[in-house]
Amino acid sequence: DAGITQSPRHKVTETGTPVTLRCHQTENHRYMYWYRQDPGHGLRLIHYSYGVKDTDKGEVSDGYSVSRSKTEDFLLTLESATSSQTSVYFCAISGTRNTEAFFGQGTRLTVV
Amino acid sequence: QKEVEQDPGPLSVPEGAIVSLNCTYSNSAFQYFMWYRQYSRKGPELLMYTYSSGNKEDGRFTAQVDKSSKYISLFIRDSQPSDSATYLCAIGAAGNKLTFGGGTRVLVKP
Repeated sequence: DAGITQSPRHKVTETGTPVTLRCHQTENHRYMYWYRQDPGHGLRLIHYSYGVKDTDKGEVSDGYSVSRSKTEDFLLTLESATSSQTSVYFCAISGTRNTEAFFGQGTRLTVV
Repeated sequence: QKEVEQDPGPLSVPEGAIVSLNCTYSNSAFQYFMWYRQYSRKGPELLMYTYSSGNKEDGRFTAQVDKSSKYISLFIRDSQPSDSATYLCAIGAAGNKLTFGGGTRVLVKP
């Protein structure tokens, strides 16, 4: 699994509550990504990081924030969860080429 | 129009047949071309990576890129039931961000 650990693997939360998902890598790669995967939309990039404290928005960043205080950890926060954020969230890291992505096992988030 | 188009399938084939998958894209700036395999409730797994037009072979898998037509393909020879999965194409440009197709579900029947 390319040395990527996502936690939690499953979570059910209520609308309006904050949620933080964690991605931890042991590969020391520079780039880290958060995607969400939904039926009919495929994988869509939420945010990505190109170094410690260096982050940028993806195509579906509204309602999400990220932080990267250490090379190995990339956190995704939903400040106030909504039902539209029910999804499967994948963290990914770049490889040695810096152009591909290696994925974690995913976090299944349900907002009720 | 999506930047990367991929038929969602499902594509059902008998064991031993050749599976043919493809994606079209619209942005000529795309430089890197990948195929991922995703089993149910698992993360996508990188299968093939290429950055040039032409063919690349790895075991039973062949990736084909035609930049002039903005068309990429993946062929799976001698398909096995274990090849049943969703296959996603991914295309990248400078800047390290990938754009994914929606995925094609493949069913290989014994």
